[in-house]
Amino acid sequence: DSGVTQTPKHLITATGQRVTLRCSPRSGDLSVYWYQQSLDQGLQFLIQYYNGEERAKGNILERFSAQQFPDLHSELNLSSLELGDSALYFCASRLAGGTGEQFFGPGTRLTVL
Amino acid sequence: DQQVKQNSPSLSVQEGRISILNCDYTNSMFDYFLWYKKYPAEGPTFLISISSIKDKNEDGRFTVFLNKSAKHLSLHIVPSQPGDSAVYFCAASGGSQGNLIFGKGTKLSVKP
Repeated sequence: DSGVTQTPKHLITATGQRVTLRCSPRSGDLSVYWYQQSLDQGLQFLIQYYNGEERAKGNILERFSAQQFPDLHSELNLSSLELGDSALYFCASRLAGGTGEQFFGPGTRLTVL
Repeated sequence: DQQVKQNSPSLSVQEGRISILNCDYTNSMFDYFLWYKKYPAEGPTFLISISSIKDKNEDGRFTVFLNKSAKHLSLHIVPSQPGDSAVYFCAASGGSQGNLIFGKGTKLSVKP
């Protein structure tokens, strides 16, 4: 158990809909990272938050947004969903300093029908 | 353009033998390289990392070697066990915020 929690584990929805994925980082970790893993793809970095502030953006679509709350949990909002958004979405948190390792949650599997 | 590449989608090894997983990268500014292991329906689990200023790091059965001139790293697992069967991802960290850039993974199968 990495100490990072994600809910829900599975989500099935229709095209055009909006969903929210939730992540709680490990106790004491201020950074939260979101990644997407599509079929046959490695994990793609989407966005990072540090202590409530956006710090870095990767390949995140404009239809997607995220935020980190004062209790450090984070939410990833996906809107106007398309079939191609079906993927595994992982959240990770990171120890301050360290050697770069991030600790991943179990992921949310999103299926868009 | 992929900055981190794992060119072997799969690898099969006999139990007790050595498993060698390879990874190539293009960006010489990466400062850490990491290996993650992933089982189906679970998140990636951190295995081992290496700083760009080192050429070897060892942790139990796992050793990572870094060849900076070739922009190549490898993960050695000795001896391999059936429980090591999983997808292994190579990742690099180089941005100031520490986001990871992953390869597409290599599926390791260790046969009893």
